[in-house]
Amino acid sequence: EVQLLESGGGLVQPGGSLRLSCAASGFTFSSHTMSWVRQAPGKGPEWVSVITGGNNNTDYADSVKGRFTISRDKSKNTLYLQMNSLRAEDTAVYYCARGGFRYLDYWGRGTLVTVSS
Amino acid sequence: EIVLTQSPGTLSLSPGERATLSCRASQSVSSGYFAWYQHKPGQAPRLLIYGASSRATGIPDRFSGSGSGTDFTLTITRLEPEDFAVYYCQQYGSSPITFGQGTRLEIK
Repeated sequence: EVQLLESGGGLVQPGGSLRLSCAASGFTFSSHTMSWVRQAPGKGPEWVSVITGGNNNTDYADSVKGRFTISRDKSKNTLYLQMNSLRAEDTAVYYCARGGFRYLDYWGRGTLVTVSS
Repeated sequence: EIVLTQSPGTLSLSPGERATLSCRASQSVSSGYFAWYQHKPGQAPRLLIYGASSRATGIPDRFSGSGSGTDFTLTITRLEPEDFAVYYCQQYGSSPITFGQGTRLEIK
């Protein structure tokens, strides 16, 4: 059974940093493209970042480019999202999902990030 | 980027009825690269439909997707109690992938 479990969310001040993790199981993590998607309160989901399965190419939404970094540790079957220079508008539930550049076939339950002073 | 607009915002129906959810794209979505998701509070979003009309693994056949170009539809025949949730559409024919704002399907 495919499982994705996010962690690392919390309350952070504007300008601060946070690292999210997503522990993956039930599939060959290293060969799959993975994405982060966020959902702000009352809004639809917004794609944030993607990392490809084979050569670890990455891409980012314009809203986070230069501030967020996606990475993966294949030995730990874990996906990461390093978030720096956080802003109030980054407040959202962050989901990791399997897939990218196409539909997302499995998602986690998400972790809440709140940026506020 | 392609903007997706879902309608209605909220749909109130009774179990056993038929639900029709719509999603309109601001530009044509190439090759029917379109998906639908179901999301219940506290749960992971669930893929229902991809390729505009293909059901994902384990999705009951009361869920069906149709459409092309800029207009797409999710139909749920004979609503079951567990179908009441929020539904999102997504396009992946153009980068970046984008989602609609959601339709809340509630029990009447």
